[in-house]
Amino acid sequence: GQQVMQIPQYQHVQEGEDFTTYCNSSTTLSNIQWYKQRPGGHPVFLIQLVKSGEVKKQKRLTFQFGEAKKNSSLHITATQTTDVGTYFCAGSAYSGAGSYQLTFGKGTKLSVIP
Amino acid sequence: DGGITQSPKYLFRKEGQNVTLSCEQNLNHDAMYWYRQDPGQGLRLIYYSQIVNDFQKGDIAEGYSVSREKKESFPLTVTSAQKNPTAFYLCASSWGTFGTSGTYEQYFGPGTRLTVT
Repeated sequence: GQQVMQIPQYQHVQEGEDFTTYCNSSTTLSNIQWYKQRPGGHPVFLIQLVKSGEVKKQKRLTFQFGEAKKNSSLHITATQTTDVGTYFCAGSAYSGAGSYQLTFGKGTKLSVIP
Repeated sequence: DGGITQSPKYLFRKEGQNVTLSCEQNLNHDAMYWYRQDPGQGLRLIYYSQIVNDFQKGDIAEGYSVSREKKESFPLTVTSAQKNPTAFYLCASSWGTFGTSGTYEQYFGPGTRLTVT
């Protein structure tokens, strides 16, 4: 079945440093979604990428979708304590019979040291 | 105020008892989902429903059951057959399960933390 691998599992950064998490799929994706889960909270949708090579920005967050649509990354510039949480990617792939399946990565837990 | 509600936030049960977790949404979404989250395991799909009176097993459906009698409601029952039921359970919804560019974004409820002893 479809697998979505996310690395690293944990990342500790000093406030102001940059942070990147990577997502790799075993199959070609139709789209990729990113979610953020604050400690003790629930996942919140951040963005969806659909096109090959797509790059989208949200303030200090930059999301990229690979040319082959099998990998993606989330980069945060100059981290702040408000960025703390677990970031999940979720890849959508065609699963046959006209349907698609969404598979979540295991997430990257970001800690920011003030 | 639109959104997804799950109750209760914390639930404690004795081993051998069935327990039902509530999930309600007022977003007018057709699709609803149940996920289980364990530390370091990400989100694993238990069941999903595309429309009323229809639901499909996800990756870890054994020991769980669901119903979808109303568009707004998708309760999950954790049965005594579930070997390791202690976990954080998340309900989500979306406009549909998928469109022309793949699956839709999902909106999550606050979750129910179930502890079985």
